[in-house]
Amino acid sequence: LAKTTQPISMDSYEGQEVNITCSHNNIATNDYITWYQQFPSQGPRFIIQGYKTKVTNEVASLFIPADRKSSTLSLPRVSLSDTAVYYCLVGARGLDSNYQLIWGAGTKLIIKP
Amino acid sequence: KAGVTQTPRYLIKTRGQQVTLSCSPISGHRSVSWYQQTPGQGLQFLFEYFSETQRNKGNFPGRFSGRQFSNSRSEMNVSTLELGDSALYLCASSLSGTPRYNEQFFGPGTRLTVL
Repeated sequence: LAKTTQPISMDSYEGQEVNITCSHNNIATNDYITWYQQFPSQGPRFIIQGYKTKVTNEVASLFIPADRKSSTLSLPRVSLSDTAVYYCLVGARGLDSNYQLIWGAGTKLIIKP
Repeated sequence: KAGVTQTPRYLIKTRGQQVTLSCSPISGHRSVSWYQQTPGQGLQFLFEYFSETQRNKGNFPGRFSGRQFSNSRSEMNVSTLELGDSALYLCASSLSGTPRYNEQFFGPGTRLTVL
């Protein structure tokens, strides 16, 4: 059965680079890996999405190894406003072959001044 | 462009009752997905609709159902409420295709409390 695993929490300081890794076994062959950010009392917000190798946008980078069993979200030069919960999201097929979206448990990132 | 809206924002029900939650996607978005978020189980996928058809469904009992209308607005219904149904219910819309390939835009959620 598909499952994603990510660290429960991480601390860092302003200006540092933060890397959050998500392990995802049984990811569907043609599925993308997506990362979301969530602040308290808000719905998740899209950060970045990728299929393989490396993807970069204006706020983050996503590194995906060839076996696609994990992915690493990289946040460059974090600020206090990056304090939030970060989720990885993948698609996978369950035992009954029903396609499902599987969320990680979330990583609570706390940025200190 | 207005974001995803969900109504009501807060709801209190008692066990055994039923509830209907509403979601209005971003204009032009045809895919709507529903999620349940709890402190213990995190975010869990309920179901996804596209052009009034349910395309994918998560591992929830039949008490959880949904539908999508021709204007892409969606509703989800929970019958015979249980204490464990207390959660934040999130709706997300995407422009087209499936959520796995497209950026999803989330609403603020409906906080359901079952007493």
